[in-house]
Amino acid sequence: AQSVSQHNHHVILSEAASLELGCNYSYGGTVNLFWYVQYPGQHLQLLLKYFSGDPLVKGIKGFEAEFIKSKFSFNLRKPSVQWSDTAEYFCAARSGTYKYIFGTGTRLKVLA
Amino acid sequence: DTEVTQTPKHLVMGMTNKKSLKCEQHMGHRAMYWYKQKAKKPPELMFVYSYEKLSINESVPSRFSPECPNSSLLNLHLHALQPEDSALYLCASSQEGGYEQFFGPGTRLTVL
Repeated sequence: AQSVSQHNHHVILSEAASLELGCNYSYGGTVNLFWYVQYPGQHLQLLLKYFSGDPLVKGIKGFEAEFIKSKFSFNLRKPSVQWSDTAEYFCAARSGTYKYIFGTGTRLKVLA
Repeated sequence: DTEVTQTPKHLVMGMTNKKSLKCEQHMGHRAMYWYKQKAKKPPELMFVYSYEKLSINESVPSRFSPECPNSSLLNLHLHALQPEDSALYLCASSQEGGYEQFFGPGTRLTVL
């Protein structure tokens, strides 16, 4: 079955720490991968996306993600987190023409 | 304009009521989506309209009835809902299938 797995459900970091959130997908078709962020009380926003080309993609707010085809992974990274990065992060994958599968989400809390 | 708007923001309804949720986008997107999101869970796809036609119905109960009056508008008609239908209902749009989705802020629905 097609699925998206996020292994870290809750992450707590201090400001300036580095962040890496794991995401693995299983889908044999065209790979379109996304990371969305949901800040408290706000709507889902796109952080970055991968469709093809350079496997290292850069998004907004200093986030980046690396697509590793051999590992079916699309991990999100940020070198130095800020308190304002406290949010829930969802990895998503295209699963058909109009279908997207979301991972279960990772709640990140950054301590000031 | 890269915004998806949803009304109302909050809705409380009884199990015998009929109400509608509205969604609007002016980005020229040809695909529009309804998702249901329970607390601390990822969004779950309910319906997809592409080019104003219903493309996907994820086996949603008939008490939820979608409608796409034109390419910019998406409605979700609600009737005889159950308390377990209480959730955040998200609308999204995308240029085409497989592209990044733009999400609205959602309607928080409470069914008494």
